[in-house]
Amino acid sequence: EIVLTQSPGTLSLSPGERATLSCRASQSVSSSYLAWYQQKPGQAPRLLIYGASSRATGIPDRFSGSGSGTDFTLTISRLEPEDFAVYYCQQYGTSPITFGPGTKVDIK
Amino acid sequence: EVQLLESGGGLVQPGGSLRLSCAASGLTFSSYAMNWVRQAPGKGLEWVSGISDSGGSTNYADSVRGRFTISRDNSKNTLYLQMNSVRAEDTAVYYCAKVEYGRGWDRWGQGTLVTVSS
Repeated sequence: EIVLTQSPGTLSLSPGERATLSCRASQSVSSSYLAWYQQKPGQAPRLLIYGASSRATGIPDRFSGSGSGTDFTLTISRLEPEDFAVYYCQQYGTSPITFGPGTKVDIK
Repeated sequence: EVQLLESGGGLVQPGGSLRLSCAASGLTFSSYAMNWVRQAPGKGLEWVSGISDSGGSTNYADSVRGRFTISRDNSKNTLYLQMNSVRAEDTAVYYCAKVEYGRGWDRWGQGTLVTVSS
């Protein structure tokens, strides 16, 4: 099983600041099948990034993903009020599919 | 517009059974693999089970293998999760999610809450 570790656990920032979230895998993620999801309280997760760096349909360009192998990053260039949420990485290339524990981005 | 609507959640006693449904609309359901994901209260996301577009291939997390069964009826545009021998640790919101091949899981339902308690 590929274990995903996300850091930091919580990121306290102000609107307009840059957010950098990390996701590290215990072994190489197949074909960069790494996705990022955003989840707000009481809502279902929303796909942001797939294939490590491709934005999903309708996702603003302030969200970007990078990385390969075992180290991946989600960057939010300038935080908007609606971006404060929990972010999960997921690897979907190897069964069992696994999620990271999440990074909460909250308002400083 | 693609919509996924889960139903069937509720209160069930330990050792009991429950069947969840996920009704899909706005898409050619038979073209997409589907998954179930759960989220225990205050916790993160856990993949539960997946099924291919035809239903011919299924996968399960170790935590539910042998107790849960995923299936689909493409004529009814519906995904199912049969949950047997449920345990307290199965308490969670259960989401269905549509797979866009190679492009992550791009549509999720709103979730249905399963509570296992006596």
